[in-house]
Amino acid sequence: DTGVSQDPRHKITKRGQNVTFRCDPISEHNRLYWYRQTLGQGPEFLTYFQNEAQLEKSRLLSDRFSAERPKGSFSTLEIQRTEQGDSAMYLCASSRPLRYTDTQYFGPGTRLTVL
Amino acid sequence: GIQVEQSPPDLILQEGANSTLRCNFSDSVNNLQWFHQNPWGQLINLFYIPSGTKQNGRLSATTVATERYSLLYISSSQTTDSGVYFCAVKGGSEKLVFGKGTKLTVNP
Repeated sequence: DTGVSQDPRHKITKRGQNVTFRCDPISEHNRLYWYRQTLGQGPEFLTYFQNEAQLEKSRLLSDRFSAERPKGSFSTLEIQRTEQGDSAMYLCASSRPLRYTDTQYFGPGTRLTVL
Repeated sequence: GIQVEQSPPDLILQEGANSTLRCNFSDSVNNLQWFHQNPWGQLINLFYIPSGTKQNGRLSATTVATERYSLLYISSSQTTDSGVYFCAVKGGSEKLVFGKGTKLTVNP
C-alpha cells in the first residue's frame, strides 16, 4: 500500500493557460474522488469515479473542468483557460468500500497558483 | 445538503494539556471521518467513526449518531499535534462534506 500519489505537487501558470493534474489511487481502490481546498476552508467535493464511470459531479465543476479515469486506475483533472479564482489545492482521494468501512484516503495534493 | 459545524475554530494549548474538538452535523450520516491536516496540506486519517467510540494512542473519538455529533479527544498534547483538524461526513451521496476545521496550536 503505497498511498495515493498526485503529480505535480505544485503548479504555477498564467491566466488563460490549460493545466492537467494526475492522481494515482491506492491499488485495488475502485473509487476515486477529486476535491478542491481554498485557504482557510475545508475541502469541497468536485467529482467521483467508480471504476471508469464518473458518477457524480459538483456544481463547482464548471465546463472548464474535465476529469477522466480511462482505465479505472489513474485519473486526470484538466482545467482549461485557467482563472485566478482557480488557485487552490486540488486533492485526490480513493476508497474501496467494504461492509464495515468506507474510508477515503487522501493524496498530498497539487497546489495550483494562477498568476 | 448536509451541514457540518466544528468548534472551536481555534484552540491554543500548552504541551501536555488535553482538549476536546466537536463536530455537529445536520442530518443522518453513514460515514464520518476525522482528519489532521499537517502544515504541508496532507490530510491524515485519524478515525473512521460513523458511530461508537474508538481509541488510537493519545487520540480517541466518539460519535453519537442519533444526536448528530462527534467528539475528538486529544490527551497529553504534543507540539506535533498542531495543525487543522477536520471532521467530514457522508450522507445521501458519495461525497464527503467537510467542516471548516479546528486550528490547533500546541505551544512548548
